[in-house]
Amino acid sequence: GQQVMQIPQYQHVQEGEDFTTYCNSSTTLSNIQWYKQRPGGHPVFLIQLVKSGEVKKQKRLTFQFGEAKKNSSLHITATQTTDVGTYFCAVPWGSSNTGKLIFGQGTTLQVKP
Amino acid sequence: GAVVSQHPSRVICKSGTSVKIECRSLDFQATTMFWYRQFPKKSLMLMATSNEGSKATYEQGVEKDKFLINHASLTLSTLTVTSAHPEDSSFYICSARETGWFNGYTFGSGTRLTVV
Repeated sequence: GQQVMQIPQYQHVQEGEDFTTYCNSSTTLSNIQWYKQRPGGHPVFLIQLVKSGEVKKQKRLTFQFGEAKKNSSLHITATQTTDVGTYFCAVPWGSSNTGKLIFGQGTTLQVKP
Repeated sequence: GAVVSQHPSRVICKSGTSVKIECRSLDFQATTMFWYRQFPKKSLMLMATSNEGSKATYEQGVEKDKFLINHASLTLSTLTVTSAHPEDSSFYICSARETGWFNGYTFGSGTRLTVV
């Protein structure tokens, strides 16, 4: 069945350093979504990527969708303590229009001030 | 933006009892809602799709008689954990999306269930 692998599982950085998390799918994706979950909180939608090779930016966050639409990355420039949390990629799952999502394992980011 | 309200946020129950968790879409109608389970430091596992006015669709390995889902209105879905056991202790979270322009799925704040 469809799988989405996300690495690394954990990353500890010093404040000001960059951070990247990667997602890889075994199948071609129609889209990929990214969510952030703060400690003790719930996932919050960040962005959706749809087009091959797409790059989107949100302030210090850069999201990329691979040319083959099988992989994606989230890069944070100059991390801040407010970036702490777990970042999940999520991809559509099952037949079209079910609305179901399968989530990657998540990357938990710790930022040392 | 879209808001999904989930209650209770935290519940402790005794083994053998049942617990009901509510998920409401506050400012939009949701014909479909999704229920997830999350273990500590783990990812979200989809349990079932809740469909307004019809039976829920359960993922493989999820016991439908144990996790009863009711979606009686366009704004409310409930998950009842029946005859709860300690292994059912987990973080349960619902999600829904607005129709029209896609702005992601909105998640409830989650319910931390502890079965003692």
